Amino acid sequence: EVHLAESGGGLVQPGGSLRLSCTASGFTFGDYAMHWVRQAPGKGLEWISMISNDGHSTYYAGSLKGRFTISRDNKRNSLYLESSTLRIEDTAIYFCAQVVRGYASHWGQGTLVTVSP
Amino acid sequence: EIGLTQSPATLSLSPGDRATLSCRASQSVEKYLAWYQQKPGQAPRLLISDASNRATGIPARFSGSGSGTDFTLTISSLEPEDFAVYYCLERHSWPLSSFGPGTRLEIK
Repeated sequence: EVHLAESGGGLVQPGGSLRLSCTASGFTFGDYAMHWVRQAPGKGLEWISMISNDGHSTYYAGSLKGRFTISRDNKRNSLYLESSTLRIEDTAIYFCAQVVRGYASHWGQGTLVTVSP
Repeated sequence: EIGLTQSPATLSLSPGDRATLSCRASQSVEKYLAWYQQKPGQAPRLLISDASNRATGIPARFSGSGSGTDFTLTISSLEPEDFAVYYCLERHSWPLSSFGPGTRLEIK
């Protein structure tokens, strides 16, 4: 059974940085691209970033490019999202998701990032 | 960048009713559209991919149709557990993706 578990969320001051992790199990991690998606409190879903299965290709939503970095370690079955210069509007639940045939198929339960003074 | 709109924003129906949710793209996405269901406090769940393919384990009362710019998610007879928020997502812009704003399906 596919299982994804995000971690690393918490309270961060504006201008601060954070590294989120997503640990995968139940499938061959290195065979699949992965997404990060976020959801601000009470709002809709926002696609953030995708990384290819081998980690060589990365893609970002235009509005976020430059402030977020996606990476992965296939030996550790782990996906990462690093963010710098966080803003109050980055407050959200951050989800990782396995990409199957182009779509975010299985999702983790998310980790909450709160950006506040 | 392809924009998605969903209508209605909120849909109030009763268990047993038929639900019809709409997603419209600003330009053709061919068949590359998915539907997700999200309940409070939970992660989204994939229902439909490539406009009309039900994901594994999704009940047959959920069906998707459409192509190009206009898509529909139909729930043939609402069960109590179907009341949730539904999002469409396009992947025609692969490797980029974008979500619609969502339709809230609430109990009347």
